[in-house]
Amino acid sequence: DAGITQSPRHKVTETGTPVTLRCHQTENHRYMYWYRQDPGHGLRLIHYSYGVKDTDKGEVSDGYSVSRSKTEDFLLTLESATSSQTSVYFCAISERGARNEQFFGPGTRLTVL
Amino acid sequence: RKEVEQDPGPFNVPEGATVAFNCTYSNSASQSFFWYRQDCRKEPKLLMSVYSSGNEDGRFTAQLNRASQYISLLIRDSKLSDSATYLCVVGNAGNMLTFGGGTRLMVKP
Repeated sequence: DAGITQSPRHKVTETGTPVTLRCHQTENHRYMYWYRQDPGHGLRLIHYSYGVKDTDKGEVSDGYSVSRSKTEDFLLTLESATSSQTSVYFCAISERGARNEQFFGPGTRLTVL
Repeated sequence: RKEVEQDPGPFNVPEGATVAFNCTYSNSASQSFFWYRQDCRKEPKLLMSVYSSGNEDGRFTAQLNRASQYISLLIRDSKLSDSATYLCVVGNAGNMLTFGGGTRLMVKP
């Protein structure tokens, strides 16, 4: 299995609080992605990174920011969490972007009360 | 219209049956194609890439029809352990993959 970890694995927080999720890889892959998965919507891309300090928006980026200061770490921040951000968040990595497969981390289950 | 469309199922089949899933995609410039498997409350895992000439991995066969813009997955001799959701995934010219909503398969004893 690809070396991808996510932390925390579960989190319950309150509306209006900031939340940061971490994705860590040991594969030295260039591309890293954050998705959310909700019933009826499948996997939707939030943000992705194509290198250190290089990021771009995905389909559902509003309310989220990201940072990548090292190849191995990609952080997703909810500046002020809302109940609509209750979801399962997956991180993924890829060597060559959309030209080859992505490998996923185990996910973070976030509940915003 | 969604970029990648799949029948959500569920497909209920007995052990040993052959089952096929189709997936259609809307972007004719799509360049890469994959099938992923996702178990309940787990991360998606790559099942197989799909090549233009079609490819097989054990009991699994994937086909790509670029003219009609669809991808298929055939599972032969279904096992109980094949029960999962199967995601059709398409890559375009950029850095992103687009995921279908998934097809749920339930294999019964």
